Amino acid sequence: DTEVTQTPKHLVMGMTNKKSLKCEQHMGHRAMYWYKQKAKKPPELMFVYSYEKLSINESVPSRFSPECPNSSLLNLHLHALQPEDSALYLCASSPQNNEQFFGPGTRLTVL
Amino acid sequence: RKEVEQDPGPFNVPEGATVAFNCTYSNSASQSFFWYRQDCRKEPKLLMSVYSSGNEDGRFTAQLNRASQYISLLIRDSKLSDSATYLCVVGPGGYQKVTFGIGTKLQVIP
Repeated sequence: DTEVTQTPKHLVMGMTNKKSLKCEQHMGHRAMYWYKQKAKKPPELMFVYSYEKLSINESVPSRFSPECPNSSLLNLHLHALQPEDSALYLCASSPQNNEQFFGPGTRLTVL
Repeated sequence: RKEVEQDPGPFNVPEGATVAFNCTYSNSASQSFFWYRQDCRKEPKLLMSVYSSGNEDGRFTAQLNRASQYISLLIRDSKLSDSATYLCVVGPGGYQKVTFGIGTKLQVIP
């Protein structure tokens, strides 16, 4: 299995909803990442987990809450989001040395 | 000065042309260098890692110049399917944060 999968592909949520994004990889990579990408901009790092521990939090608002239940899974819990949080949310995993493989992303719309 | 700088383009080239992109970086301690390709509304896909010795994959050649702190990507015999945004990525190594360039948009025209 040589890919990163993400669910759901699309998500529409209201500002009072709670939802979760899921990411999975079975390549044995020891680091996993969450990125946010707006149109015509490069991906913007949110969180990094290495060896299942949170190693980088790029001062992300607390309405985004990451979780790494095991070395293959990464979740992003969403609560009380704002319309400006609408974006493509990308998960990536890395075997070593900054090389990253991205999942297809979840396109999130906050109403 | 931005950490990683790329010309955003667009580069409009005819099929069969050779096109080259450059990307400069400011941190001389950078250890890892990549080119990614991103199609509209899709995820970035790793195209090539970049090494000082240069590396080639079919029609694509990447080069790193540490002295001048830039990396390059050369695409020969451009195909319509090469139309995409090409992202330059530079990092310190390990599992640390990498820096993305703004991306260079390539449009190959028939």
